[in-house]
Amino acid sequence: GEDVEQSLFLSVREGDSSVINCTYTDSSSTYLYWYKQEPGAGLQLLTYIFSNMDMKQDQRLTVLLNKKDKHLSLRIADTQTGDSAIYFCAESPLASGGSYIPTFGRGTSLIVHP
Amino acid sequence: EAQVTQNPRYLITVTGKKLTVTCSQNMNHEYMSWYRQDPGLGLRQIYYSMNVEVTDKGDVPEGYKVSRKEKRNFPLILESPSPNQTSLYFCASSMTSGAPNTGELFFGEGSRLTVL
Repeated sequence: GEDVEQSLFLSVREGDSSVINCTYTDSSSTYLYWYKQEPGAGLQLLTYIFSNMDMKQDQRLTVLLNKKDKHLSLRIADTQTGDSAIYFCAESPLASGGSYIPTFGRGTSLIVHP
Repeated sequence: EAQVTQNPRYLITVTGKKLTVTCSQNMNHEYMSWYRQDPGLGLRQIYYSMNVEVTDKGDVPEGYKVSRKEKRNFPLILESPSPNQTSLYFCASSMTSGAPNTGELFFGEGSRLTVL
């Protein structure tokens, strides 16, 4: 079965780096995602990584994928108060018909304090 | 503007009074899905649809119905709401064919439902 696990809370000081971790169980996952949910809003895709990659960097965001350990992490450099949100890890194996149906973790609430 | 629109955004109702939460997307997506979000439980999938007239149960379908008569619409129906259906509901859509297809889900703003 599929299962995605992540810690529920992370608190960091403004300007520090944040690292949010996630483990998943489906070894056939093709895409792994990080979604961000700001207060009062729906989820939005923050970044994703294809399963044949180890790392992806996009400005302040770094995604690391360890396929052997089925571990995904999101690092946010120079964390700002605007980064306070819930971050969801998700995985998608390639389903029949060429579609991807994601499984989400429970979300990590990132709290950034001055 | 590409978007997923849900209505109503907020609703307070009473036990047993049928209600429908509408969802519409303007991106010609084949895949649509409903989730509920509860504290400490994250997102749980209620129903999903791979295309018109094709629907399947998710992880928590009890007490809900859906239909997919048109590609753009995917309403969520609560025939007899109960207090344990008090939650924040999200509709989402995604393309399943064509390129680039990364499986990105596009979410609505959410519908907060309270059942008294």
